[in-house]
Amino acid sequence: GQNIDQPTEMTATEGAIVQINCTYQTSGFNGLFWYQQHAGEAPTFLSYNVLDGLEEKGRFSSFLSRSKGYSYLLLKELQMKDSASYLCAVRPYKAAGNKLTFGGGTRVLVKP
Amino acid sequence: DTEVTQTPKHLVMGMTNKKSLKCEQHMGHRAMYWYKQKAKKPPELMFVYSYEKLSINESVPSRFSPECPNSSLLNLHLHALQPEDSALYLCASSQEGPYTDTQYFGPGTRLTVL
Repeated sequence: GQNIDQPTEMTATEGAIVQINCTYQTSGFNGLFWYQQHAGEAPTFLSYNVLDGLEEKGRFSSFLSRSKGYSYLLLKELQMKDSASYLCAVRPYKAAGNKLTFGGGTRVLVKP
Repeated sequence: DTEVTQTPKHLVMGMTNKKSLKCEQHMGHRAMYWYKQKAKKPPELMFVYSYEKLSINESVPSRFSPECPNSSLLNLHLHALQPEDSALYLCASSQEGPYTDTQYFGPGTRLTVL
């Protein structure tokens, strides 16, 4: 089976840093994705990790440890517009096609 | 350009109606997806088309009928829906490849079944 866990909700202050953790137990692993979703809107792609290590894209960074089944998304210099849900999604081994298994999402609330 | 478009943005239908949702992409992607998303829940995969052929059907009830007329278009035909089918319906597309198939989502259709 597939199991992906992430915290339900986090609150942080504008200008601060927030780290959203994601742990996964899946029948295979062929990549981990992070998406941002504002309320009522579509998910937008943030990052992709398939090898261990840190991927940095501006204010957002994502880390992966395959041996630990663990990833995190780091949001720096938080802005009010970063208030959204953040979805962690794992792609099982290629044999499953391009199917993604999503975690429940983490709602981040940025306060002034 | 990573744009996926969906029409309509909102749809209200009765349980006896027949309607269709439409999705279009011009990125040359060869895989297209339908997801259903309820409030405060993650997207749930419904169907996957790969090279215009249905490759995954996640045991979706037959009142939902997908169609892929060509590599740029994806439809979802709706008939005899139930109120619990009210949700945000998302379309996505990706390159068909083992390592580079990031899925890009459209804005969604907000469906209400009365």
